[in-house]
Amino acid sequence: GAVVSQHPSRVICKSGTSVKIECRSLDFQATTMFWYRQFPKQSLMLMATSNEGSKATYEQGVEKDKFLINHASLTLSTLTVTSAHPEDSSFYICSAALWGTQTYNEQFFGPGTRLTVL
Amino acid sequence: EDKVVQSPLSLVVHEGDTVTLNCSYEVTNFRSLLWYKQEKKAPTFLFMLTSSGIEKKSGRLSSILDKKELFSILNITATQTGDSAVYLCAVGTTSGTYKYIFGTGTRLKVLA
Repeated sequence: GAVVSQHPSRVICKSGTSVKIECRSLDFQATTMFWYRQFPKQSLMLMATSNEGSKATYEQGVEKDKFLINHASLTLSTLTVTSAHPEDSSFYICSAALWGTQTYNEQFFGPGTRLTVL
Repeated sequence: EDKVVQSPLSLVVHEGDTVTLNCSYEVTNFRSLLWYKQEKKAPTFLFMLTSSGIEKKSGRLSSILDKKELFSILNITATQTGDSAVYLCAVGTTSGTYKYIFGTGTRLKVLA
């Protein structure tokens, strides 16, 4: 099956620093990648949709200058949390969509990154 | 506004019980409905449904979609403690860009 990796799995940083999270599709080319955020005991909230070679589409209420997304290739998307603050502490999960006649609707999740901002 | 609602929010059952989880949706340009199981980390894929009335089955789990009434159910028979998890329903839609909207999730706890 399709494999998506995410790095790092866990990061602890000081307030005011920037953190970069990488999402890679390991065995397929992902035209579209999604970034989600999940607070404890809550569901996944879509932050943005990232298409290779174009600007990300952010959901309402998500600050694009705060959460920078780059999708430079068909296998890599990055999310940078700029000037992180404690309220940015959360579980960030990426997923990659596999396009094809049978599986164009599927998305495959990375293992997630737990960010703690002190 | 697109939305996906799951019920119940939480459920506690005993091993061997059968449970039915519900997912209803209101979205424009529906493409698919997906069920996921989430334990400690990222969600793991269970089913993808695109057509009404066709049951998908995997072991003790099964799911069906009703596109007329805009809902899906996930059934788990003969529950085991390992089924304890949050079950998430996500709807794929092409309103605007292609994206998935997640429901609130149902937290299932199976007691021994």
